[in-house]
Amino acid sequence: DAGITQSPRHKVTETGTPVTLRCHQTENHRYMYWYRQDPGHGLRLIHYSYGVKDTDKGEVSDGYSVSRSKTEDFLLTLESATSSQTSVYFCAISDERGEAFFGQGTRLTVV
Amino acid sequence: AQTVTQSQPEMSVQEAETVTLSCTYDTSESDYYLFWYKQPPSRQMILVIRQEAYKQQNATENRFSVNFQKAAKSFSLKISDSQLGDAAMYFCAYRIGNEKLTFGTGTRLTIIP
Repeated sequence: DAGITQSPRHKVTETGTPVTLRCHQTENHRYMYWYRQDPGHGLRLIHYSYGVKDTDKGEVSDGYSVSRSKTEDFLLTLESATSSQTSVYFCAISDERGEAFFGQGTRLTVV
Repeated sequence: AQTVTQSQPEMSVQEAETVTLSCTYDTSESDYYLFWYKQPPSRQMILVIRQEAYKQQNATENRFSVNFQKAAKSFSLKISDSQLGDAAMYFCAYRIGNEKLTFGTGTRLTIIP
């Protein structure tokens, strides 16, 4: 199994508070991704990274920011959480063959 | 924009029977990858099978096989001898090189004992 871990696994937070989710990999893969999963929408890309300090927006990036200061860590920040950001968040990494490996997911509830 | 369409929100199959899940995609690229992922109730995303677009031969992994029709932009998943452990959400996904994976909305598969 690919070495990828997400933290926390579950979080409940209040509207308006900042939240940071962490993705950590031990595979030294160049590419890292943050997705959110909602019923009826599949997985939608929030942000992705193609190297240290190299990031780009996905299709649902509004309200989210990311940072990647080293190869192994990719952080997703909700600057001011809203109820619409209640979701399950997945981090993924990929190798040069294009295959993606996923973390276990983080269930975030914004109340 | 790249899109992936799974037109069957839910499917069911009798245990030991065969079921086919449909997936179509839209792209102007000629070189890309296609994947099927399985998501059981544990929520873990598990790669089931992958197909490189330049390969004409359909990929096979044990009881799982695909029917890849490049001209029709179709990528269906066939599960043979269905087992209770196959019950899950199945997602079709598409990717160019190392760019983002684009997912379909998923098909929930139920196995009837």
